[in-house]
Amino acid sequence: DIQMTQSPSSLSASVGDRVTITCQASQDISNYLNWYQQKPGKAPKLLIYDASNLETGVPSRFSGSGSGTDFTFTISSLQPEDIATYYCQQWFTFGPGTKVDIK
Amino acid sequence: EVQLVESGGGLIQPGGSLRLSCAASGFTVSSNYMSWVRQAPGKGLEWVSVIYSGGSTYYADSVKGRFTISRDNSKNTLYLQMNSLRAEDTAVYYCARVSSGYIFDPWGQGTLVTVSS
Repeated sequence: DIQMTQSPSSLSASVGDRVTITCQASQDISNYLNWYQQKPGKAPKLLIYDASNLETGVPSRFSGSGSGTDFTFTISSLQPEDIATYYCQQWFTFGPGTKVDIK
Repeated sequence: EVQLVESGGGLIQPGGSLRLSCAASGFTVSSNYMSWVRQAPGKGLEWVSVIYSGGSTYYADSVKGRFTISRDNSKNTLYLQMNSLRAEDTAVYYCARVSSGYIFDPWGQGTLVTVSS
């Protein structure tokens, strides 16, 4: 089975900061990698699919990149409403999540 | 509008059974891959099961032999029959449509299952 790791597990940043989360797969998964945002008490929401495609309606400050085994998720300018846990996912495996807080 | 609404969660004793429902609107369940994902309290997301449009079903090892995914085409509803429940099955259970074989979108609001005596 393919394992997914994420780093960091949590981070605190100031409003306006650039935030970067990395996701690594245990083997080559091409670009079959999605990113989800889960706010407290809510269901996950798809933000990025196929590693770098922004889901319709998602603000452009969110972006994704990478292929193979190494992927990056970026929030270009952190906003208060971005407080959430972010998960990467490939096929039927989710990463452990990265909790993002405001400093 | 594409929407999923889960129901059927609750408090159940270890060894008991429960059936979750996921009513879909805005699309046809039988024409899509549909999945269940769960989240234990304070933990991450764990894939549970998937049913393909052709009817094939697959399960996580943690629930294989105990859980059964199914659908009712006339009701446009997805189900998860959960038997022999254990404390470690306590979680919020989400249903989701699976596009392109692996993109989970949208998700339902979730239903909480608590297994405890």
